[in-house]
Amino acid sequence: DTGVSQDPRHKITKRGQNVTFRCDPISEHNRLYWYRQTLGQGPEFLTYFQNEAQLEKSRLLSDRFSAERPKGSFSTLEIQRTEQGDSAMYLCASSFPGGSSYNEQFFGPGTRLTVL
Amino acid sequence: QKEVEQNSGPLSVPEGAIASLNCTYSDRVSQSFFWYRQYSGKSPELIMSIYSNGDKEDGRFTAQLNKASQYVSLLIRDSQPSDSATYLCAVKEGYGGSQGNLIFGKGTKLSVKP
Repeated sequence: DTGVSQDPRHKITKRGQNVTFRCDPISEHNRLYWYRQTLGQGPEFLTYFQNEAQLEKSRLLSDRFSAERPKGSFSTLEIQRTEQGDSAMYLCASSFPGGSSYNEQFFGPGTRLTVL
Repeated sequence: QKEVEQNSGPLSVPEGAIASLNCTYSDRVSQSFFWYRQYSGKSPELIMSIYSNGDKEDGRFTAQLNKASQYVSLLIRDSQPSDSATYLCAVKEGYGGSQGNLIFGKGTKLSVKP
């Protein structure tokens, strides 16, 4: 399977702990996105990378959140000092901005975070 | 604040009927529009993309776009119980390739009754 993969699929942590999630995009895709989704809501944009450059960050992305894509391949999203409000599904998507695809984004399975 | 609006539903249709899902968006310069299907507990799955005014058909799905009215719709013909899911409308922010993020609606929950 050559789709977007995310690890771990589920994470339970205690308030105040740090967590890190990983995303591996579709291999030929140079754009990678992070979104967050809570129950009953659509995904909300957090940040995106083109190759290794982080091009945009949402105001939702507080200073406790940091994302990296050091070699332009996989990406990590770290949340420091987690809060109960961080409980959500964290989704990664990738796209190839060329041809007729016009930035179609394909999502991974997500990482469900529960902060106790 | 750029917004994408959808009726939350639930929208209930009998098996074999046409399901019609609607979406409006606020950003006039948006050029790219997408429909995703999301089963409970799963991640969104892209089912349709549309960039030009008019209709685009793919199997049982037809997406319709009217940029003047800032309106996007999805028709599902011959609805099946397996189509029961939440359908998310998404709009790519901005114009061209410089901005990449999608703005999503809250989704419409569709239930297809056997």
